[in-house]
Amino acid sequence: TQLLEQSPQFLSIQEGENLTVYCNSSSVFSSLQWYRQEPGEGPVLLVTVVTGGEVKKLKRLTFQFGDARKDSSLHITAAQPGDTGLYLCAGLNNNNDMRFGAGTRLTVKP
Amino acid sequence: KAGVTQTPRYLIKTRGQQVTLSCSPISGHRSVSWYQQTPGQGLQFLFEYFSETQRNKGNFPGRFSGRQFSNSRSEMNVSTLELGDSALYLCASSRQGSWVEQYFGPGTRLTVT
Repeated sequence: TQLLEQSPQFLSIQEGENLTVYCNSSSVFSSLQWYRQEPGEGPVLLVTVVTGGEVKKLKRLTFQFGDARKDSSLHITAAQPGDTGLYLCAGLNNNNDMRFGAGTRLTVKP
Repeated sequence: KAGVTQTPRYLIKTRGQQVTLSCSPISGHRSVSWYQQTPGQGLQFLFEYFSETQRNKGNFPGRFSGRQFSNSRSEMNVSTLELGDSALYLCASSRQGSWVEQYFGPGTRLTVT
């Protein structure tokens, strides 16, 4: 059972388009992380958010943690082929358990 | 500095066999966590070792075990392999065992036939 629901599951867009992917849960998390995983490699940490309502920016990527700390979004502006990959969110609950979502597989076509 | 390394990268075993996977963390990192990644279940936490002690454990059967050595290198063992154990096994290291910043290795792709 996935405690973290990610949507959409698959996303295919053209270079230059904007996109948003979502990570939702009924549980409250003390912190939430986003990772990107490319084929044949392990996930790479992009960001950690810990405060409800927090917004972090990493170049063209904007991450937001929901006010209630149950959901998060990742927005990419002007997507590039190098953004292609599997985007995973992971939440840490108050019992120090980390749960991962199933991921959003993003393909950016040149 | 060198990243997390895992060996072997690919492995094919038959049902009933056992397998041992190895993970070398980033130098200076004392925590090693193991994860199983499958298309159906996604990424699931197996266990975490810190200074040779298992500190956290996920919801996996006792066939899955691990250990950590004094140099922080870790091994994971799966006994009596089942077809459903086919997966990408990832390890991640962090300095203090904090979830805030962990670095993943490239994984070991295990296929059970």
